[in-house]
Amino acid sequence: DGGITQSPKYLFRKEGQNVTLSCEQNLNHDAMYWYRQDPGQGLRLIYYSQIVNDFQKGDIAEGYSVSREKKESFPLTVTSAQKNPTAFYLCASSKGPGQQDYGYTFGSGTRLTVV
Amino acid sequence: EDKVVQSPLSLVVHEGDTVTLNCSYEVTNFRSLLWYKQEKKAPTFLFMLTSSGIEKKSGRLSSILDKKELFSILNITATQTGDSAIYLCAVTMNYGGSQGNLIFGKGTKLSVKP
Repeated sequence: DGGITQSPKYLFRKEGQNVTLSCEQNLNHDAMYWYRQDPGQGLRLIYYSQIVNDFQKGDIAEGYSVSREKKESFPLTVTSAQKNPTAFYLCASSKGPGQQDYGYTFGSGTRLTVV
Repeated sequence: EDKVVQSPLSLVVHEGDTVTLNCSYEVTNFRSLLWYKQEKKAPTFLFMLTSSGIEKKSGRLSSILDKKELFSILNITATQTGDSAIYLCAVTMNYGGSQGNLIFGKGTKLSVKP
């Protein structure tokens, strides 16, 4: 079955460490996205990529980095520069600009906690 | 600035009640409005609306868009405890570097009590 897989489901990070969240899709979608969700804040866009080897900053990109070396994969690194990284992170994909007839497909999320 | 505003932010009802969730938007070059239901983890797609006045229905859920007044409503009739979730509204636009990106509202947290 096609879908998006995020791993791990839960992640604990010590202050000052970088961590990488994995996101893999087998839907043959061109576009992939990372969102952060905090209570009462809805979903806020961190980074997005509409094509391999290209990505753009979203609304809250500071302290994060991404890569898009393969169509299927869009890992997110939470760096030590992110001052408040504890949150729920959602990865999503869509067919691409102008083709998102049914919106996004979401992964199950990664809950990151700084300890 | 493009924005999507949902109301209320939270709502508590009893089983059997009917609820109406609101979503208003201010975006340039509107393309579509989507509703998602988020229970524990991944939001799941409910509806996509592009045309005014055409109701979309799925079981006890229905939604309609008013492009003149820039809002949409999501109705849930005869609510059940399984309807308890966060309901997210999102909008897409037709142009620009962020074409295809969804702009989300903050969500409405619905709690249905037995």
